[in-house]
Parts: sequence; structure tokens; C-alpha cells
Amino acid sequence: GDSVTQMEGPVTLSEEAFLTINCTYTATGYPSLFWYVQYPGEGLQLLLKATKADDKGSNKGFEATYRKETTSFHLEKGSVQVSDSAVYFCALSDGAGNQFYFGTGTSLTVIP
Amino acid sequence: DAGVIQSPRHEVTEMGQEVTLRCKPISGHNSLFWYRQTMMRGLELLIYFNNNVPIDDSGMPEDRFSAKMPNASFSTLKIQPSEPRDSAVYFCASSFYKNNEQFFGPGTRLTVL
Repeated sequence: GDSVTQMEGPVTLSEEAFLTINCTYTATGYPSLFWYVQYPGEGLQLLLKATKADDKGSNKGFEATYRKETTSFHLEKGSVQVSDSAVYFCALSDGAGNQFYFGTGTSLTVIP
Repeated sequence: DAGVIQSPRHEVTEMGQEVTLRCKPISGHNSLFWYRQTMMRGLELLIYFNNNVPIDDSGMPEDRFSAKMPNASFSTLKIQPSEPRDSAVYFCASSFYKNNEQFFGPGTRLTVL
């Protein structure tokens, strides 16, 4: 069945470092892909999304490109801030509209 | 819009007691999801509704858990009787359609002593 696999955490970076969090997916149809962020003590909130191959989602300096050939949707940011410390979830919505799958989450801590 | 509203935000109860968690989805959304989040198991989908009808409850851990959605603006998740291993943060989320982006509530932190 459809699924999402994201890199294990936790990830610790210094402020202004480059961030990559890997996410790969398995899907039989044409899924939409999402990144959600969860700040401490809060619910998940949508960070960015892409609905078809080669689309790039971006928000708050984060980017992810929907790569059909590598079945990937890696999250990147050029210069992280302490305020980016959170848990990041990759997610997939299958093309048939039947299910929504979340990855296990990657914890990011940014130190000054 | 106020977003997805959950109540209570925190609940502390004793083992064996009944617990009811409440959720008000975003107006106009027709899909509603209940999740449980723990350190051990991460984020788990318990059940989801489409147009107030339960579609998939395969994630409900056991018969002690039940969920209802009597109308488009209200849902409950009930645990009876509660056990310490039910301690977790329970999230409600809603979307316009089941495969669209989901909007999460702030969660209910449940502690069962």
C-alpha cells in the first residue's frame, strides 16, 4: 500500500546551517505531498505542499520539490533559525482520495 | 474562522473512568480525523469520518474506544473505561475533502493515573 518514509531524527543544527530532511514515498497513483510542522505543545500545521510531479512547494524559507523519478519530497532550508526547532512530518494523500499517510516525524533542534 | 476547536485541552483522570474528548471542525469541512500521538508510537490515525459517516475505524485500538459525529460541527471520542496506557495527546483534524490538506486542532493531553 501507499506509505511515507522519512529520515530518523533527532537532528541538531547550529543557527544558519543548511537543513535537509529526507522523505520518500510509495504510491500506486498520483499522490499529493505535504510537509507539516509541529511546534512544542501545539498541533500540526501545514508548512507546504505539492500536488503534481516537479511542483515545488515553499513557505517561510522552506522548500520541497516533488520528484516522481526518485519518489522523493525532501525538505530544505538554506539557513535555519532557533525558531525552526520543531518536529517535521512528511505526508501523502493518495491519488484515489482514499487515504492520508503521515511519516514518523523528524525532530529538529537549532542551537544558537 | 477559529480553526479546529478541541476540548478539554488537558484531562487528568483515574483508571476506570470514562473520558470524552470533543472536537468542532472548521465550518464547511466534510472530513474529520481523530489521531493519537505518543512518544512510543508517534502519530496514529484512529478513525475518520466523511460527511458525518465513519469510513475507517481500523486504527481504534480496542472496543473501549468509540467515536461519534452526530452532525457536521461536532464529534466526540470516548474511552470507557480508561487505562494508563491511553495517556497521550489526542488530535482532531478536519479537511474539505479526505485527501486535501488537514487542519489540526491544538490537541487534548490526556493523563490516566
